[in-house]
Amino acid sequence: GQNIDQPTEMTATEGAIVQINCTYQTSGFNGLFWYQQHAGEAPTFLSYNVLDGLEEKGRFSSFLSRSKGYSYLLLKELQMKDSASYLCAALDSNYQLIWGAGTKLIIKP
Amino acid sequence: GAVVSQHPSRVICKSGTSVKIECRSLDFQATTMFWYRQFPKQSLMLMATSNEGSKATYEQGVEKDKFLINHASLTLSTLTVTSAHPEDSSFYICSAGGQADYEQYFGPGTRLTVT
Repeated sequence: GQNIDQPTEMTATEGAIVQINCTYQTSGFNGLFWYQQHAGEAPTFLSYNVLDGLEEKGRFSSFLSRSKGYSYLLLKELQMKDSASYLCAALDSNYQLIWGAGTKLIIKP
Repeated sequence: GAVVSQHPSRVICKSGTSVKIECRSLDFQATTMFWYRQFPKQSLMLMATSNEGSKATYEQGVEKDKFLINHASLTLSTLTVTSAHPEDSSFYICSAGGQADYEQYFGPGTRLTVT
Protein backbone atom coordinates (compact mmCIF):
# COMPACT_ATOMS: atom_id res chain seq x y z
CA GLY A 1 0.00 0.00 0.00
CA GLN A 2 0.90 3.64 -0.17
CA ASN A 3 1.98 5.36 3.00
CA ILE A 4 3.40 8.61 4.28
CA ASP A 5 4.94 8.85 7.75
CA GLN A 6 5.76 12.03 9.60
CA PRO A 7 5.88 12.89 13.31
CA THR A 8 2.60 13.93 14.86
CA GLU A 9 3.92 16.88 16.79
CA MET A 10 7.15 18.78 17.36
CA THR A 11 8.10 21.66 19.62
CA ALA A 12 10.81 24.21 18.97
CA THR A 13 11.98 27.56 20.29
CA GLU A 14 11.61 30.90 18.55
CA GLY A 15 14.78 31.72 16.61
CA ALA A 16 15.94 28.12 16.48
CA ILE A 17 16.04 25.57 13.66
CA VAL A 18 13.74 22.57 13.28
CA GLN A 19 13.76 19.66 10.85
CA ILE A 20 10.54 17.80 10.05
CA ASN A 21 11.08 14.37 8.54
CA CYS A 22 8.87 12.47 6.14
CA THR A 23 9.21 8.96 4.73
CA TYR A 24 7.06 7.71 1.90
CA GLN A 25 6.12 4.52 0.11
CA THR A 26 4.19 5.01 -3.08
CA SER A 27 3.37 3.24 -6.32
CA GLY A 28 5.71 5.18 -8.52
CA PHE A 29 6.94 8.62 -7.63
CA ASN A 30 6.57 11.97 -9.32
CA GLY A 31 7.70 14.30 -6.60
CA LEU A 32 7.18 15.34 -3.02
CA PHE A 33 5.41 18.39 -1.65
CA TRP A 34 5.47 20.24 1.62
CA TYR A 35 2.50 22.36 2.60
CA GLN A 36 1.88 24.61 5.58
CA GLN A 37 -1.57 24.63 7.12
CA HIS A 38 -2.68 26.99 9.85
CA ALA A 39 -5.62 25.89 11.95
CA GLY A 40 -8.89 26.33 10.11
CA GLU A 41 -7.25 27.27 6.85
CA ALA A 42 -6.42 25.47 3.63
CA PRO A 43 -2.87 24.29 2.96
CA THR A 44 -0.44 26.65 1.31
CA PHE A 45 2.34 25.43 -0.93
CA LEU A 46 5.88 25.51 0.44
CA SER A 47 8.02 23.32 -1.78
CA TYR A 48 8.18 20.66 -4.45
CA ASN A 49 11.13 18.27 -4.89
CA VAL A 50 11.45 15.70 -7.62
CA LEU A 51 15.24 15.40 -7.83
CA ASP A 52 17.58 14.38 -5.03
CA GLY A 53 19.08 17.18 -3.04
CA LEU A 54 18.35 20.29 -1.10
CA GLU A 55 16.16 23.15 -2.33
CA GLU A 56 16.51 26.35 -0.37
CA LYS A 57 13.86 29.02 -0.34
CA GLY A 58 14.46 31.73 2.23
CA ARG A 59 14.08 30.41 5.76
CA PHE A 60 12.65 27.14 4.49
CA SER A 61 14.58 24.34 2.78
CA SER A 62 13.41 20.95 1.59
CA PHE A 63 15.50 17.86 0.99
CA LEU A 64 14.75 14.70 -0.96
CA SER A 65 16.41 11.30 -1.22
CA ARG A 66 14.52 9.16 -3.71
CA SER A 67 16.58 6.06 -3.00
CA LYS A 68 15.69 6.25 0.69
CA GLY A 69 12.08 7.40 0.24
CA TYR A 70 12.87 10.26 2.56
CA SER A 71 12.40 13.99 2.72
CA TYR A 72 12.74 16.69 5.29
CA LEU A 73 11.62 20.27 5.68
CA LEU A 74 14.08 22.54 7.46
CA LEU A 75 12.84 25.74 9.04
CA LYS A 76 15.42 28.29 10.19
CA GLU A 77 15.11 31.37 12.38
CA LEU A 78 11.77 30.19 13.65
CA GLN A 79 9.07 32.77 14.18
CA MET A 80 5.89 32.44 16.20
CA LYS A 81 3.87 32.63 12.98
CA ASP A 82 5.53 29.37 11.88
CA SER A 83 3.33 27.53 14.39
CA ALA A 84 1.21 25.41 12.08
CA SER A 85 0.81 21.91 10.73
CA TYR A 86 3.22 20.86 8.01
CA LEU A 87 1.92 18.35 5.53
CA CYS A 88 4.10 16.06 3.47
CA ALA A 89 2.52 14.70 0.28
CA ALA A 90 3.96 12.43 -2.41
CA LEU A 91 2.79 12.31 -6.00
CA ASP A 92 2.37 8.75 -7.20
CA SER A 93 2.61 7.31 -10.71
CA ASN A 94 -0.97 8.38 -11.45
CA TYR A 95 -0.16 11.94 -10.36
CA GLN A 96 -2.36 11.48 -7.32
CA LEU A 97 -1.27 13.14 -4.10
CA ILE A 98 -0.78 10.81 -1.15
CA TRP A 99 -0.98 12.87 2.02
CA GLY A 100 0.69 12.44 5.37
CA ALA A 101 -1.28 13.19 8.52
CA GLY A 102 0.73 16.33 9.12
CA THR A 103 3.18 17.45 11.80
CA LYS A 104 1.92 20.02 14.24
CA LEU A 105 4.76 22.41 15.00
CA ILE A 106 4.56 24.36 18.25
CA ILE A 107 6.87 27.34 18.61
CA LYS A 108 7.66 28.53 22.11
CA PRO A 109 9.08 31.96 22.91
CA GLY B 1 -1.64 34.27 -10.15
CA ALA B 2 -3.24 30.85 -9.60
CA VAL B 3 -5.91 31.96 -7.14
CA VAL B 4 -8.72 29.63 -6.16
CA SER B 5 -11.77 30.81 -4.25
CA GLN B 6 -14.43 28.88 -2.37
CA HIS B 7 -17.86 29.96 -1.33
CA PRO B 8 -19.17 29.94 1.30
CA SER B 9 -16.30 29.93 3.76
CA ARG B 10 -18.57 28.74 6.57
CA VAL B 11 -22.03 27.23 6.51
CA ILE B 12 -24.31 25.84 9.17
CA CYS B 13 -27.25 23.77 8.04
CA LYS B 14 -29.87 21.53 9.54
CA SER B 15 -29.77 17.78 9.23
CA GLY B 16 -31.52 16.58 6.08
CA THR B 17 -30.89 19.69 4.03
CA SER B 18 -28.51 20.09 1.10
CA VAL B 19 -25.55 22.42 0.85
CA LYS B 20 -23.72 23.58 -2.26
CA ILE B 21 -20.08 24.64 -2.16
CA GLU B 22 -18.53 26.49 -5.09
CA CYS B 23 -14.90 26.36 -6.14
CA ARG B 24 -13.62 28.84 -8.67
CA SER B 25 -10.26 29.33 -10.34
CA LEU B 26 -10.08 33.10 -10.63
CA ASP B 27 -7.22 33.78 -13.00
CA PHE B 28 -6.64 30.52 -14.82
CA GLN B 29 -8.56 27.69 -16.41
CA ALA B 30 -8.59 24.41 -14.57
CA THR B 31 -9.40 21.29 -16.52
CA THR B 32 -9.20 19.28 -13.34
CA MET B 33 -10.42 20.13 -9.85
CA PHE B 34 -10.09 18.09 -6.71
CA TRP B 35 -12.34 17.93 -3.66
CA TYR B 36 -10.91 17.06 -0.26
CA ARG B 37 -12.39 16.60 3.17
CA GLN B 38 -10.45 17.10 6.36
CA PHE B 39 -11.60 16.09 9.83
CA PRO B 40 -10.00 17.69 12.89
CA LYS B 41 -6.38 16.72 13.44
CA GLN B 42 -6.39 14.52 10.37
CA SER B 43 -4.87 14.90 6.94
CA LEU B 44 -6.66 15.74 3.76
CA MET B 45 -8.72 12.95 2.26
CA LEU B 46 -9.34 13.09 -1.46
CA MET B 47 -13.04 12.66 -2.15
CA ALA B 48 -13.19 13.01 -5.90
CA THR B 49 -11.50 14.33 -8.99
CA SER B 50 -13.61 16.30 -11.42
CA ASN B 51 -12.79 17.01 -15.02
CA GLU B 52 -14.55 19.74 -16.95
CA GLY B 53 -17.39 18.38 -19.01
CA SER B 54 -17.27 14.83 -17.70
CA LYS B 55 -18.36 12.86 -14.67
CA ALA B 56 -16.30 13.05 -11.52
CA THR B 57 -14.16 10.15 -10.37
CA TYR B 58 -14.92 9.29 -6.76
CA GLU B 59 -12.55 7.71 -4.30
CA GLN B 60 -13.45 4.42 -2.69
CA GLY B 61 -15.93 4.85 0.12
CA VAL B 62 -17.26 8.22 -1.08
CA GLU B 63 -20.94 8.09 -2.05
CA LYS B 64 -21.41 9.77 -5.39
CA ASP B 65 -25.15 10.17 -4.85
CA LYS B 66 -24.54 11.99 -1.61
CA PHE B 67 -21.68 14.21 -2.76
CA LEU B 68 -22.72 15.57 -6.13
CA ILE B 69 -19.97 17.18 -8.15
CA ASN B 70 -20.51 19.34 -11.19
CA HIS B 71 -17.63 20.77 -13.19
CA ALA B 72 -19.56 22.69 -15.80
CA SER B 73 -16.85 25.12 -16.86
CA LEU B 74 -13.09 25.50 -16.78
CA THR B 75 -13.33 27.89 -13.84
CA LEU B 76 -16.11 26.44 -11.70
CA SER B 77 -16.73 23.19 -9.88
CA THR B 78 -19.46 22.65 -7.31
CA LEU B 79 -19.85 20.10 -4.55
CA THR B 80 -23.36 19.52 -3.21
CA VAL B 81 -23.72 17.62 0.03
CA THR B 82 -27.21 16.15 -0.16
CA SER B 83 -29.29 15.22 2.86
CA ALA B 84 -26.52 16.34 5.17
CA HIS B 85 -26.04 14.67 8.53
CA PRO B 86 -23.96 15.74 11.53
CA GLU B 87 -21.23 13.27 10.56
CA ASP B 88 -20.78 15.24 7.32
CA SER B 89 -19.56 18.18 9.38
CA SER B 90 -16.03 18.78 8.19
CA PHE B 91 -13.65 21.13 6.44
CA TYR B 92 -14.09 20.80 2.67
CA ILE B 93 -11.23 22.02 0.48
CA CYS B 94 -11.04 22.20 -3.29
CA SER B 95 -7.97 22.51 -5.41
CA ALA B 96 -7.49 23.27 -9.07
CA GLY B 97 -4.92 21.62 -11.26
CA GLY B 98 -2.37 23.79 -13.01
CA GLN B 99 -0.61 23.29 -16.29
CA ALA B 100 1.95 20.86 -14.93
CA ASP B 101 0.76 17.46 -13.74
CA TYR B 102 2.04 18.08 -10.24
CA GLU B 103 0.52 21.53 -9.70
CA GLN B 104 -2.46 21.98 -7.41
CA TYR B 105 -3.72 25.29 -6.08
CA PHE B 106 -5.91 25.14 -3.02
CA GLY B 107 -8.99 27.13 -2.20
CA PRO B 108 -9.41 28.57 1.32
CA GLY B 109 -11.77 25.82 2.41
CA THR B 110 -15.39 25.65 3.58
CA ARG B 111 -16.28 24.77 7.15
CA LEU B 112 -19.56 22.81 7.13
CA THR B 113 -21.45 22.27 10.36
CA VAL B 114 -24.58 20.15 10.28
CA THR B 115 -26.82 20.50 13.32
